[in-house]
Amino acid sequence: EVQLVESGGGLVQPGGSLRLSCAASGFTFSSHDMHWVRQVTGEGLEWVSGIGSAGATYYLGSVKGRFTISRENAKNSLYLQMNSLRAGDTAVYYCARVQLDYGGYDFWGQGILVTVSS
Amino acid sequence: SYVLIQPPSVSVAPGQTASITCGGNNIGSKSVHWYQQKPGQAPVMVVYGNRGRPSGIPERMSGSNSGNTATLTISRVDAGDEADYYCQVWDSSSDHVVFGGGTKLTVL
Repeated sequence: EVQLVESGGGLVQPGGSLRLSCAASGFTFSSHDMHWVRQVTGEGLEWVSGIGSAGATYYLGSVKGRFTISRENAKNSLYLQMNSLRAGDTAVYYCARVQLDYGGYDFWGQGILVTVSS
Repeated sequence: SYVLIQPPSVSVAPGQTASITCGGNNIGSKSVHWYQQKPGQAPVMVVYGNRGRPSGIPERMSGSNSGNTATLTISRVDAGDEADYYCQVWDSSSDHVVFGGGTKLTVL
């Protein structure tokens, strides 16, 4: 059974840092691209960042230079290092698996809340 | 940057057919995916690659894509279909994933 479990969220002050983790199981993690998607309460889905199976990285413009996505295939883990956090980064963050043939998100984690507030 | 436009809301009576549109410039040339999200839950893929259906998704849900509009069609709608629905594509010109703004489906 495919499982994605996020951790590392919480309350942080503006300008602070957090590192999100996503523990994957039930599939060959190294074969899949993995992404982070966020959602502000009551609003729509917003793509944040992605990392390819070979390590190529992609970022939403507003987080580029502040967020860093990475993966550790030996630990079946995905990470999102978030620096210089702003109030506008407050959201539930989901990790999502990219399906191999069509590029959609076929599995999602349960989400983790990040709150940026003083 | 590429933009996807969805109607904010669609209402339909039980047993009828709901059509949720996703508009984008020449979207017919892209691969569109659709997700269902119920309150307090993570999104679930309901259509991939324009018209594919993941395991466990009922045949009542189907997708199409042509020209400037992709459509998610849900036939024989029931109360359990009430949710937010999002379309999504990969924009190769910017190397970004793009989501539509979402459509709230209400079953009357």
